Amino acid sequence: DTAVSQTPKYLVTQMGNDKSIKCEQNLGHDTMYWYKQDSKKFLKIMFSYNNKELIINETVPNRFSPKSPDKAHLNLHINSLELGDSAVYFCASSQALGGVYEQYFGPGTRLTVT
Amino acid sequence: TQLLEQSPQFLSIQEGENLTVYCNSSSVFSSLQWYRQEPGEGPVLLVTVVTGGEVKKLKRLTFQFGDARKDSSLHITAAQPGDTGLYLCAGPHGSGNTGKLIFGQGTTLQVKP
Repeated sequence: DTAVSQTPKYLVTQMGNDKSIKCEQNLGHDTMYWYKQDSKKFLKIMFSYNNKELIINETVPNRFSPKSPDKAHLNLHINSLELGDSAVYFCASSQALGGVYEQYFGPGTRLTVT
Repeated sequence: TQLLEQSPQFLSIQEGENLTVYCNSSSVFSSLQWYRQEPGEGPVLLVTVVTGGEVKKLKRLTFQFGDARKDSSLHITAAQPGDTGLYLCAGPHGSGNTGKLIFGQGTTLQVKP
């Protein structure tokens, strides 16, 4: 059973388009995240939701809008895509255990903007 | 600003060699985690260390948390091609109660047969 799944795996689109990435976790975790991994493999958090409530909102262009319809789902909508948005986007989930949040990542969505 | 610096950034070795990857910071962390990421996949958690001086072993991988909880190391004994991947260390940001992790820039390991 897949713990954290994302769709699509690959997304190729043109500048100016709007696209969405979907994420689902079946681990029963309360917290979900979106990360961006750039071409140098640096992983940076973008957003986090806890029980459908936004708790982390990093300095990200407001063209990026997360939405969590329930605690098992976290989607990412991107408006007016730009070349610099090309990256791999990872969804993750975690549950606090003794103050430690061990994160479970999805397989990633490789976004290419042309 | 909390930062985690990993070294080396790239490592290419022959099968059977030993290696150590370092994760250093000037900040104290309540815990540190190590992840491995294979090409085309998401990072997978290997271990979490929480106590200063703690040593944890995962088969041929040995993880150590520094006494002052500012650094950690990953030692691989007799590396195998299956160990190839990107190794990431991560620690909780601030008080750690939001789940936000700070990641190091990663160490890319290639083990040649």
